[in-house]
Amino acid sequence: KNEVEQSPQNLTAQEGEFITINCSYSVGISALHWLQQHPGGGIVSLFMLSSGKKKHGRLIATINIQEKHSSLHITASHPRDSAVYICAVSLDSNYQLIWGAGTKLIIKP
Amino acid sequence: GAGVSQSPSNKVTEKGKDVELRCDPISGHTALYWYRQRLGQGLEFLIYFQGNSAPDKSGLPSDRFSAERTGESVSTLTIQRTQQEDSAVYLCASSLAATGAHYGYTFGSGTRLTVV
Repeated sequence: KNEVEQSPQNLTAQEGEFITINCSYSVGISALHWLQQHPGGGIVSLFMLSSGKKKHGRLIATINIQEKHSSLHITASHPRDSAVYICAVSLDSNYQLIWGAGTKLIIKP
Repeated sequence: GAGVSQSPSNKVTEKGKDVELRCDPISGHTALYWYRQRLGQGLEFLIYFQGNSAPDKSGLPSDRFSAERTGESVSTLTIQRTQQEDSAVYLCASSLAATGAHYGYTFGSGTRLTVV
């Protein structure tokens, strides 16, 4: 079992839909990261969370430390949101990131 | 600079040649990481630099891979005698502090390496 699990693996939705991507982890963490990777592009850090909820534009990230679970929500989704969304965790003990496998999101116009 | 800069953005090389990839981190970021991402796969940790401490090279896949960083500035990742399985996107990230847990990470756009 992977230490960081994302679901779904693939998600296709229509423009305007509310999107939820989930991340569960099984290790002790100091922070959880949501990142975005466009096809052929680099990686952009969206959020870094250690508790609660953060919002940036149409993106919302939440984390429940007790349940070891985080969600990334996209409101009023748009085709430009199409990308791979990656969940990664920073361990309590060292600097390395443990990566989820990513969720490939396609938003159709 | 304003972000993490990597060069070249694309590199096509013949099998057996050596390549050098460059990463210029954000000024003041003491921590620098190299990752590799093969097509359709997740990120693999390669190497980590923190200030003037000895780097963590535990992720380097073979002795054909090496990396250097002078102080808290530019880093170069060198792959000797390239093989086709080295084809991947090589990503660099930097962070203000050792863990990145409190300050986050900034990634470069990557170098896409194709070995033919």
